[in-house]
Amino acid sequence: EAGVTQSPTHLIKTRGQQATLRCSPISGHTSVYWYQQALGLGLQFLLWYDEGEERNRGNFPPRFSGRQFPNYSSELNVNALELEDSALYLCASSLGSGNVETQYFGPGTRLLVL
Amino acid sequence: SQQGEEDPQALSIQEGENATMNCSYKTSINNLQWYRQNSGRGLVHLILIRSNEREKHSGRLRVTLDTSKKSSSLLITASRAADTASYFCATETWNTGNQFYFGTGTSLTVIP
Repeated sequence: EAGVTQSPTHLIKTRGQQATLRCSPISGHTSVYWYQQALGLGLQFLLWYDEGEERNRGNFPPRFSGRQFPNYSSELNVNALELEDSALYLCASSLGSGNVETQYFGPGTRLLVL
Repeated sequence: SQQGEEDPQALSIQEGENATMNCSYKTSINNLQWYRQNSGRGLVHLILIRSNEREKHSGRLRVTLDTSKKSSSLLITASRAADTASYFCATETWNTGNQFYFGTGTSLTVIP
């Protein structure tokens, strides 16, 4: 069974540009989560999508946005990039809304903003 | 703010020794999970313990949960060089559905 996949693996942008990161969940999973992990720090929750809708978002500015498609894959968009947006962005998926859900993580997209 | 906080931040041990990592959290939880991350890559789920459980085992892993102290510990017995990684605890709290709060992690180095 294929795991969570993310693309691209690396992304280099300059300040002010926009970045689009993509995530495909495990087949059968309807929930997708996005996390930001800055160098040496823990994971910061960004967004949670389930059944095509945004269910929750973390403490990030509106220039961080995303969507979930009918096939449950997801995009994370970061507008007006800033240097501090440089980080590893991790996507995770789970079976769906409900209690006691294990999240399965993809390998991440490493974003570098110059 | 982050819910979970791991202690110590870094730990270095010899192969064969046991490694213990601790996690403290702030509010009532549904469950607590431990994840491992190798070299800045994706996280791998290790073990889940529910709020009504006190101890769980999985292979060389033992997790305890003390809800009165709002803390958990992860014990890795007979460590191996391949256990070198960062370990994170994640808490799922009441009223947040599937939103997980991750700590900053413990970096474990196992010296062969």
